Amino acid sequence: KQEVTQIPAALSVPEGENLVLNCSFTDSAIYNLQWFRQDPGKGLTSLLLIQSSQREQTSGRLNASLDKSSGRSTLYIAASQPGDSATYLCAVTPFSGGYNKLIFGAGTRLAVHP
Amino acid sequence: NAGVMQNPRHLVRRRGQEARLRCSPMKGHSHVYWYRQLPEEGLKFMVYLQKENIIDESGMPKERFSAEFPKEGPSILRIQQVVRGDSAAYFCASLEWEATDTQYFGPGTRLTVL
Repeated sequence: KQEVTQIPAALSVPEGENLVLNCSFTDSAIYNLQWFRQDPGKGLTSLLLIQSSQREQTSGRLNASLDKSSGRSTLYIAASQPGDSATYLCAVTPFSGGYNKLIFGAGTRLAVHP
Repeated sequence: NAGVMQNPRHLVRRRGQEARLRCSPMKGHSHVYWYRQLPEEGLKFMVYLQKENIIDESGMPKERFSAEFPKEGPSILRIQQVVRGDSAAYFCASLEWEATDTQYFGPGTRLTVL
């Protein structure tokens, strides 16, 4: 059974720091891995999607890597800003079960203070 | 193109009442997923529907919960005889067709059971 774990559960940093959020999954048979951002009381916004054949994806100050064999992904946030404060969720699409249903981690709550 | 819409955004019910949550997918999307997020947890898959068909309901509790996606109108998640443990945020996501990767999430309905 696929399980997704995110570490740390919460993180508080001063503005300007570079950050690394970690995600691990137990079964490497995945189609892809996604990182989402969730703001309080709002829905999810997809940040980056990495196909199983890819090693990393970049968007602006965000870089996500994928090591499928070890079951790990990291989300790197450069030069953090207060506007980055949110919960970051990692999700995989497993081969088994089909139908594109996502398996989520519990998230990392990030607070960036001025 | 309006995004995925959910209503109501907040719903309060007393134990034993029924809750109906509605989801209107993005225009042109015929695939809908429902997820539930309990406090301090990640999203958990509940059900996957296409127009007029339930494709995968493996994440749905066997009793009191049902879902539909009629030919016309929104998808409905129905919870009968709600209990306090049903209090959660319920998110729907839509997909244009099954071979694409990106699910677009709605803002969620936050259900509180008193």
